[in-house]
This record gives sequence, C-alpha cells and structure tokens, in this order.
Amino acid sequence: IAGITQAPTSQILAAGRRMTLRCTQDMRHNAMYWYRQDLGLGLRLIHYSNTAGTTGKGEVPDGYSVSRANTDDFPLTLASAVPSQTSVYFCASKDSPSTDTQYFGPGTRLTVL
Amino acid sequence: SQQGEEDPQALSIQEGENATMNCSYKTSINNLQWYRQNSGRGLVHLILIRSNEREKHSGRLRVTLDTSKKSSSLLITASRAADTASYFCATDSKGGSEKLVFGKGMKLTVNP
Repeated sequence: IAGITQAPTSQILAAGRRMTLRCTQDMRHNAMYWYRQDLGLGLRLIHYSNTAGTTGKGEVPDGYSVSRANTDDFPLTLASAVPSQTSVYFCASKDSPSTDTQYFGPGTRLTVL
Repeated sequence: SQQGEEDPQALSIQEGENATMNCSYKTSINNLQWYRQNSGRGLVHLILIRSNEREKHSGRLRVTLDTSKKSSSLLITASRAADTASYFCATDSKGGSEKLVFGKGMKLTVNP
C-alpha cells in the first residue's frame, strides 16, 4: 500500500531516555518532513530533508536530530527526552521540494513522563 | 512563527448548511493550501490556490484568495456529518525555502 508509515503508533517514555521515531515512505518522494502537533499551536516543523543525504532545521529543532541515509526512511531521534516533547509527531513527504502537496503519515503519540 | 491563522477557531453547524473558514497570513506567498485532519489521523490535502488565482473549486469546496488582504477562505457547501474535522491552512512563502507553514487549525463540527 503506497503511502507513509510511522512507528510506533504511541509510546510512553521516561524523561532522559533516547527514542527514535520511524518514518518510511514508498512513494519515492525526495522531500520529507517532521512536524509536532500541540493543542493550540498547530503543526510546527522540526526538521526536513529535501533529498537523501541532506537535512535542515525547521522552526523547533532543539532536542531532536534526523538522518536521511536513503530516500525512503527519515527517522527522528530524541537523544534525551524531556516532558515538553510530549506531543503528536507527524512525518510527511512530497515528490520534490518544489512541488506542492504534502502527504502525511498517521502520526506517533509520544508521552514523556 | 505561525504564518496562517484560521478563523473562527471552532464552528458548529447543522448538516446541509454551508461552512466558511478564514485564513490570514503575514508574508507574500507562492500558494496557499487547505488540509483536513480527522480526529487521531494525519492531515490530508484538500485544495491549493496559487498567488495569481482568486478562486478555485473542487467538488463542494470553494477557495478564495485575496493577496491584497493576505487572506483566504474555504467554503464547504451542503455540509455533511462526515465533514466534521479540523481544517488547516498552510502557506508556502515567496523567496522562502519551499517549506509549508501551517496555521493552528479550526475545528468544524457538523451535526446530523
């Protein structure tokens, strides 16, 4: 089935632990994005990648890192989770940086205690 | 910083009525998009309007854009209970890095 998958669906994590959220797309899209969604704040961009091998910082990058070793995968890592990183995380992709429509994954609900 | 701001933040209507949502933004844009999010799901693209367009239709959706006022509206005609969702506008700024900036969203409830 074409699209974007994210794992895990949800996670409860102790503060200070390391966590990697996984994102995989099978549409061969070049550009990928990580957002966090918080009540009253909408979606905010964390990191992005315009093509495999490159990444960039979004609006709220602190405490997060990403890698883009290949076209399909774009993992997001929290090196040492803090409670303020409790959020719903969405991965998205689009065909290229210059095309318009983004396609979103189903999200990962993360709770940091 | 948020580029788009939806208004109202929440709207409750009866099935069959029209729903209008507004979005204001701050900087010059290449295009403006509207997305829908059902509860607990990811966002789904609805419609895009470019900066040189004033109105666009797609099924029961009608989008207008007024670049002089830096605003857009999304009209859903003959609403259905299944239209209940959150709606977001997103802008792609001119001279920017081709990343979308999303508004905070608007919750639409269509009562059967």
